Amino acid sequence: DTEVTQTPKHLVMGMTNKKSLKCEQHMGHRAMYWYKQKAKKPPELMFVYSYEKLSINESVPSRFSPECPNSSLLNLHLHALQPEDSALYLCASSQDGGGPDTQYFGPGTRLTVL
Amino acid sequence: SQQGEEDPQALSIQEGENATMNCSYKTSINNLQWYRQNSGRGLVHLILIRSNEREKHSGRLRVTLDTSKKSSSLLITASRAADTASYFCATDLLTGRRALTFGSGTRLQVQP
Repeated sequence: DTEVTQTPKHLVMGMTNKKSLKCEQHMGHRAMYWYKQKAKKPPELMFVYSYEKLSINESVPSRFSPECPNSSLLNLHLHALQPEDSALYLCASSQDGGGPDTQYFGPGTRLTVL
Repeated sequence: SQQGEEDPQALSIQEGENATMNCSYKTSINNLQWYRQNSGRGLVHLILIRSNEREKHSGRLRVTLDTSKKSSSLLITASRAADTASYFCATDLLTGRRALTFGSGTRLQVQP
C-alpha cells in the first residue's frame, strides 16, 4: 500500500469555526508533513513530524495546530482562520531512514475560508 | 523560502515532441527530486538524483544535475497529452533538515 489518504477532500468553513484535516498512511513511514499550496504556486512546508515528534514548524500561525497521534496518523486542527488561509493542504510521508527521502503525497484537502 | 527557480514557467508543445524543464537552486544539496502535479491534485514523485550523480533515466524521463552550476534539467521524450501537468523540482538541502524545498514549477501543456 503506497497510498496517503486525506479527509475531507473539500472543506468550507467560517472564520469562527473549528475543524480538523486528517491524513493517514500505512507504509510504515516515520516522517509526516503538512504543506500549504496556493494556486499556481509550489507547496510551502508548514510542519514536519519525525518519529511522532514535531521537528519543524515553519513559523506557522497558531491558528494551525498539528497533531500526530501515532505513526500512521497526522491531523491539522484549524481555528479562527482567515480568508487568506484558503488553499490546498497537502499531507506527505517519507521513510525518514537517514537516506534520501522520497515523499509520498496525499490528494489534498481544498480549504475555503469564508 | 523558495530554493529553486524553474524555467520556463509555462511550456506548450505538441504530442510527440520533447519537453525540457530547467531548475536552478542556491545552496548545496544532498539530492534533487522531480515531482509532477496534475491540476489540483497531490504530487507524484518522478525521479531522484543524488548530488554525486550527473544523469539519471527512468522510462521517458531523463534528469541531469550540474552541481557546479547548481542546476538540473528534466527532459520528457515523446510527450503525450497525459503528461500535461505542473512539474516541480525539490531540493533536499545539505543541512540535515529532512525537508524538501520546492521550486517555482513549470506548467506543461501537451496538445494532442
